[in-house]
Amino acid sequence: AQKVTQAQTEISVVEKEDVTLDCVYETRDTTYYLFWYKQPPSGELVFLIRRNSFDEQNEISGRYSWNFQKSTSSFNFTITASQVVDSAVYFCALSDPHNNNDMRFGAGTRLTVKP
Amino acid sequence: NAGVTQTPKFRILKIGQSMTLQCTQDMNHNYMYWYRQDPGMGLKLIYYSVGAGITDKGEVPNGYNVSRSTTEDFPLRLELAAPSQTSVYFCASSLARAEEQYFGPGTRLTVT
Repeated sequence: AQKVTQAQTEISVVEKEDVTLDCVYETRDTTYYLFWYKQPPSGELVFLIRRNSFDEQNEISGRYSWNFQKSTSSFNFTITASQVVDSAVYFCALSDPHNNNDMRFGAGTRLTVKP
Repeated sequence: NAGVTQTPKFRILKIGQSMTLQCTQDMNHNYMYWYRQDPGMGLKLIYYSVGAGITDKGEVPNGYNVSRSTTEDFPLRLELAAPSQTSVYFCASSLARAEEQYFGPGTRLTVT
């Protein structure tokens, strides 16, 4: 069964728009970890955030913010005032003990920010 | 620190050939991983290692082998390459199992 669902395959916005990338996960465990990674056109994966299941506080880092809601099993990612350099594929991932804490990735959302 | 390095960056194999993808990390991480990324998909775990001498299968291990003789190195071996193994391969390492993983730049492999 798929553990992480990123329903938005592709999103296109114009620079300075805000954009939210959705992530819905499934797990039987009460302790688990959620991640977001960015994959720019160059291909490498860049870590953005790690959140454990006991910390539901929203997090803000510059133009990036994350909304973690256990009630809806979601961990959404918002970019405020998007820039062309934000264009990338973004992956949400889940690590839970039921799967040996293996990281399970969603299929990714391709974000294109146009000037 | 170089982080995680992978060689080669690109490779074209013919069906039935074998090759080894190299991965080295200099962060003294015990945990290392091999993933494959197919077009338009997320990463899938092939094999992982929790320390020198210890390896285990991930979600998609068939057609691959690994070894971990040192903390630094975690090579991935493809025997009898098949077109289904055409993919981008990423090596990663982490300090602990559910911690942030550091990824190498990837190896783009084509099997024809």
